[in-house]
Amino acid sequence: EDKVVQSPLSLVVHEGDTVTLNCSYEVTNFRSLLWYKQEKKAPTFLFMLTSSGIEKKSGRLSSILDKKELFSILNITATQTGDSAIYLCAAPNTGNQFYFGTGTSLTVIP
Amino acid sequence: GAVVSQHPSRVICKSGTSVKIECRSLDFQATTMFWYRQFPKQSLMLMATSNEGSKATYEQGVEKDKFLINHASLTLSTLTVTSAHPEDSSFYICSAKKGPEAFFGQGTRLTVV
Repeated sequence: EDKVVQSPLSLVVHEGDTVTLNCSYEVTNFRSLLWYKQEKKAPTFLFMLTSSGIEKKSGRLSSILDKKELFSILNITATQTGDSAIYLCAAPNTGNQFYFGTGTSLTVIP
Repeated sequence: GAVVSQHPSRVICKSGTSVKIECRSLDFQATTMFWYRQFPKQSLMLMATSNEGSKATYEQGVEKDKFLINHASLTLSTLTVTSAHPEDSSFYICSAKKGPEAFFGQGTRLTVV
């Protein structure tokens, strides 16, 4: 059964902390791994990862994929209250079927 | 866990015809479901919020007469693309709300020829 599992389910940190969010996947004919930030209803795209070991970076956010161990991590450094959101990862296969994780709910306390 | 099933996974239709996409929550009841459209840069655009037993709430710029949404039961929402045109070709994804979490369907690739 194809699936994507995220951990932890929820996380509460203080401003300035660094967090690491995990996403493991078991997807036949895996194509890529996507990270989204969902603040209200519509997830916004963060990263798309297709190759192992190549870190993608955007400001305080970075992500990397390990296709051997079938997981990805999303790091957020120096967290701010505006980082509070649900972070989703998704793994589409080559047939463009999407498998979403249930998300990690991040709360950043001032 | 919670499972959301979206059907069909892909569909090809002729220009001018209508296509119905179903989104079912298999093991929970969902009073609220969301319909998204995915654009080439991988962003998901919220099209509408579907509420069981009432009219859907459409986002600005989404034609409600073109994208008909029906949420007739607590486990099923449908999106009908009416009089489809090639520019409607896209990837459509639904999600169903269960408590504070949203569970996503696998998406439907629509190609209008």
